[in-house]
This record gives sequence, structure tokens and C-alpha cells, in this order.
Amino acid sequence: EAGVVQSPRYKIIEKKQPVAFWCNPISGHNTLYWYLQNLGQGPELLIRYENEEAVDDSQLPKDRFSAERLKGVDSTLKIQPAELGDSAVYLCASSLYGGFSYNEQFFGPGTRLTVL
Amino acid sequence: GENVEQHPSTLSVQEGDSAVIKCTYSDSASNYFPWYKQELGKRPQLIIDIRSNVGEKKDQRIAVTLNKTAKHFSLHITETQPEDSAVYFCAAPSRGGADGLTFGKGTHLIIQP
Repeated sequence: EAGVVQSPRYKIIEKKQPVAFWCNPISGHNTLYWYLQNLGQGPELLIRYENEEAVDDSQLPKDRFSAERLKGVDSTLKIQPAELGDSAVYLCASSLYGGFSYNEQFFGPGTRLTVL
Repeated sequence: GENVEQHPSTLSVQEGDSAVIKCTYSDSASNYFPWYKQELGKRPQLIIDIRSNVGEKKDQRIAVTLNKTAKHFSLHITETQPEDSAVYFCAAPSRGGADGLTFGKGTHLIIQP
């Protein structure tokens, strides 16, 4: 069984440029998460999807960040414009279903973003 | 929302000794507590989890204990081996028991040969 796939693995951009990250969850997983991980810190939840619906986006900086999961499968996270402080690893995770069922979250390898 | 505190930030133990990592949480509604291991440059991977209806769970050399009254849970690794060297994160549901996770800041476990 393939795991969570993310691309690109690495991205270097100049500040004020746009950037997009792509995630394909494990087949059959209804719940998809985007996390941000700064160096030496734990992952921080940005947004959670149940199928195509964003059910928790309270931590997403909506002035510059956006996300979509149009068909309830793969997802894209976008930053426009990027700032120096956005340099981090962006992790995608998926689980069978969400809510109170507490399924294991499987993480992708992440996209390491460097903003110059 | 949930607040998770994790200690220590760095833990160095001799190979073969035991390691204990402790976490506290703030939301009494939380009832699921996973532990993730992250090796350098790799993705976090679940190593063990516990639900609030039990006080302890064990899987070979790894065990987790939960004290709901005190709102803390701990990871215990016995007979540590070099491959146990990694960063370990505890976590709890972010809000009202729903399953987005709030993670601790991590513990860098170093196994000395």
C-alpha cells in the first residue's frame, strides 16, 4: 500500500513569490490534514478536511494561505505571497475518518520550503 | 484549545537503560494520546497510542501510561538501543476531543553506546 505522497520534496523561492504544495493521501482515507513543522518543534495543525469539506481551518493564516481538496482526494496548499517566516516543513497526513474516532494519522515525507 | 507540554527537551541515556518522556495536557475532554517518533529528515511515525479508558498500554519495549486525573501521560522505553535515537512527540486532540492533533515540542532522545 502506498503511503501519503507529497511534492515537491524541496522548494526554494524568493520572498513575495507564490508557492504550492501537493498531497495525495492514502487511498480510501477520508480525512486529510496539513501541518507546519518549524525546526526543532512539533507539527502544528493548519487545516483538516473531511472529504472535500474544510472542517477546521482556524489555524490557517487566511490572508496568505489557501487550501483546496476539490474532489475529496488530493489536496493543494498555497502561499501567496511567501514571507521569510514561512520557511518550514509542510507535512500532509491522512486518516481513515475523522471526528472522535481517533484513527492513526499517517504522515507524508513533507515539503521543505526555504524562502530567501 | 488544547495545550500540550513535553519534558525533557533532550534526554541522553546509556544503551540498555530505560528512558521516560513526560507530557501534560490541559483539555479534560481529550481522550486519545498518541506518541510519534521522527528520525532526522523523515516523517513522524506513530509508535504507540492510548485511549482514556485504559491507564497503561505496552508493546514490546515501549509502554505508555495515562493519568487522567492529573492530566499527564508518559512514554517508557526499556532496554534502549541505538535505533531508538530520534525525536519523540506526544500529542492530544486539538479542540473539544476532535481529532486534529496538538503536538508537544518534542524530546530528542540520544542513546549513548
